[in-house]
Amino acid sequence: TQLLEQSPQFLSIQEGENLTVYCNSSSVFSSLQWYRQEPGEGPVLLVTVVTGGEVKKLKRLTFQFGDARKDSSLHITAAQPGDTGLYLCAGGTQGGSEKLVFGKGTKLTVNP
Amino acid sequence: NAGVTQTPKFQVLKTGQSMTLQCAQDMNHNSMYWYRQDPGMGLRLIYYSASEGTTDKGEVPNGYNVSRLNKREFSLRLESAAPSQTSVYFCASRWTGVYEQYFGPGTRLTVT
Repeated sequence: TQLLEQSPQFLSIQEGENLTVYCNSSSVFSSLQWYRQEPGEGPVLLVTVVTGGEVKKLKRLTFQFGDARKDSSLHITAAQPGDTGLYLCAGGTQGGSEKLVFGKGTKLTVNP
Repeated sequence: NAGVTQTPKFQVLKTGQSMTLQCAQDMNHNSMYWYRQDPGMGLRLIYYSASEGTTDKGEVPNGYNVSRLNKREFSLRLESAAPSQTSVYFCASRWTGVYEQYFGPGTRLTVT
């Protein structure tokens, strides 16, 4: 069974601070996706990375896929209250990423 | 476009009762998925359907059955509900060959 260890589980910071969320595994994944989930709603995709070493930026969010495709990180610069939510990483387990394995999530609270 | 819809939004069952959770998507996606989300556990795959007419077990299939009624609809049935099945259930869909999964709003199920 492929597992994704996500850390930290909870993060509470002040507006303007930077933060990094990590997603680690001993398994290789064909792709790595990051989702954000608001209370009472389903997850929504933020980004997909597929190449080892790949870095993608989405405004103040930077996503990186490890060279060996076993780990990933999400860095948020100058966090804002609107960034509050549950962040989930998910690894694609088959050639076409037919199935996803999810990390347990990081609950981020950004205080004004 | 409604995207992925799920019914009901909330349900309370007594132990031993049965029920079917309904999911429909209007995006002409080939693949559909059922997940459960428990506190501190992330999302775990129950069953998935890669195409109309096919279904396959995920990580936690015991106690559940599924039906891919047609390309749009994928239902999840609990034949004899147990308190351990208290959870939030999410349906998702995707295009074959595209990484992103689109999620419904979820069904919050409580079994007493």
